[in-house]
Amino acid sequence: EDQVTQSPEALRLQEGESSSLNCSYTVSGLRGLFWYRQDPGKGPEFLFTLYSAGEEKEKERLKATLTKKESFLHITAPKPEDSATYLCAVPLALSGGYQKVTFGIGTKLQVIP
Amino acid sequence: EPEVTQTPSHQVTQMGQEVILRCVPISNHLYFYWYRQILGQKVEFLVSFYNNEISEKSEIFDDQFSVERPDGSNFTLKIRSTKLEDSAMYFCASRFFGTGSEKLFFGSGTQLSVL
Repeated sequence: EDQVTQSPEALRLQEGESSSLNCSYTVSGLRGLFWYRQDPGKGPEFLFTLYSAGEEKEKERLKATLTKKESFLHITAPKPEDSATYLCAVPLALSGGYQKVTFGIGTKLQVIP
Repeated sequence: EPEVTQTPSHQVTQMGQEVILRCVPISNHLYFYWYRQILGQKVEFLVSFYNNEISEKSEIFDDQFSVERPDGSNFTLKIRSTKLEDSAMYFCASRFFGTGSEKLFFGSGTQLSVL
């Protein structure tokens, strides 16, 4: 069964304390992996798409990397405004060119000033 | 920047009542989706819609649910007879078509409370 697993479920960091979030997946025929940010009461906001092992994407204090089995979201010197839930998601290809996106449970990040 | 718009932002209803959640996807997008998120749980796929028909639906999307694209801009989710367990945040999403366009754009959601 295709699965997306994220760890840890919650992470509390001091401002400036770098860390990494993990997303492991068991999907046949990976067509990319997404990272989204979700603020309380809001919809997921797109951050990155990664397509192949070894690929890296960066945006401000965030860097996403991908291997054949997992992805990491590295947060360098986080600030309180980085506090959010970070979601990993994988598109699953269906017949006819359709797809659905499966999400992990997310990592709830809290950055303390 | 174009965005997905959802209305209402909050909906309170009595158990057994019908509700319609509305969405305006991004104008040049071709695939449309509904997801839901029960408080504290993961974002769950409900249904995908392309070319005026359902392309995939989850086991959650039973006969009580239906979707419609009544005109060129709106995309709706109807729940015919709401249950307590339908209480959740419902997200509409859309995407363009083609390789490299797999990412979904989400609306801000409708918080549905069934009493």
